[in-house]
Amino acid sequence: AQSVAQPEDQVNVAEGNPLTVKCTYSVSGNPYLFWYVQYPNRGLQFLLKYITGDNLVKGSYGFEAEFNKSQTSFHLKKPSALVSDSALYFCAVRFNGYNTDKLIFGTGTRLQVFP
Amino acid sequence: GAGVSQSPRYKVAKRGQDVALRCDPISGHVSLFWYQQALGQGPEFLTYFQNEAQLDKSGLPSDRFFAERPEGSVSTLKIQRTQQEDSAVYLCASSLKGGQGRTNTEAFFGQGTRLTVV
Repeated sequence: AQSVAQPEDQVNVAEGNPLTVKCTYSVSGNPYLFWYVQYPNRGLQFLLKYITGDNLVKGSYGFEAEFNKSQTSFHLKKPSALVSDSALYFCAVRFNGYNTDKLIFGTGTRLQVFP
Repeated sequence: GAGVSQSPRYKVAKRGQDVALRCDPISGHVSLFWYQQALGQGPEFLTYFQNEAQLDKSGLPSDRFFAERPEGSVSTLKIQRTQQEDSAVYLCASSLKGGQGRTNTEAFFGQGTRLTVV
């Protein structure tokens, strides 16, 4: 079965410092991995995806993620955090087949960036 | 429109009442998805459409939940005889393509409908 795990409920970081939000996955076959961000009372916004190719994926708002096959991880990173990055972050794996297509989400990690 | 649009944004229903939630996907998007997000949780898959065909409804929690997309565009999620456990945010998403072998298109989400059953 496909699944993702986000081991941290909350991550706190000072503005200007690098941030990492962790995600590990369990899939059969090739993993198709996504990061989404959710601001209060808003839907999910797409940040980036890994389908194939380079292990370092660059996305929106200066975020990037590193795909590590041996550690089955897809951690989200940003070199310098902003207060406005404070939000709820979801890692997801895509499962698609003959008669289905779905994202399976982690439980989310709340990122708090302090000024 | 530019994005996925959902209406209403908020809905309060009395227990036992029927509700209908609407989703307008991005124009031209083939795939449409519904998710349920309980408070403090990640979104959970409900159902998937490819054009007007509902290919996967395995996530619908009970036979009180029904979704349709009759013309392959707008979709409606209907919940009959609402219960308190149905209280959640219902998210709709669409993507340009979908299904087997089509993995490189991301899904775009609407702002959701927050349903509160009292």
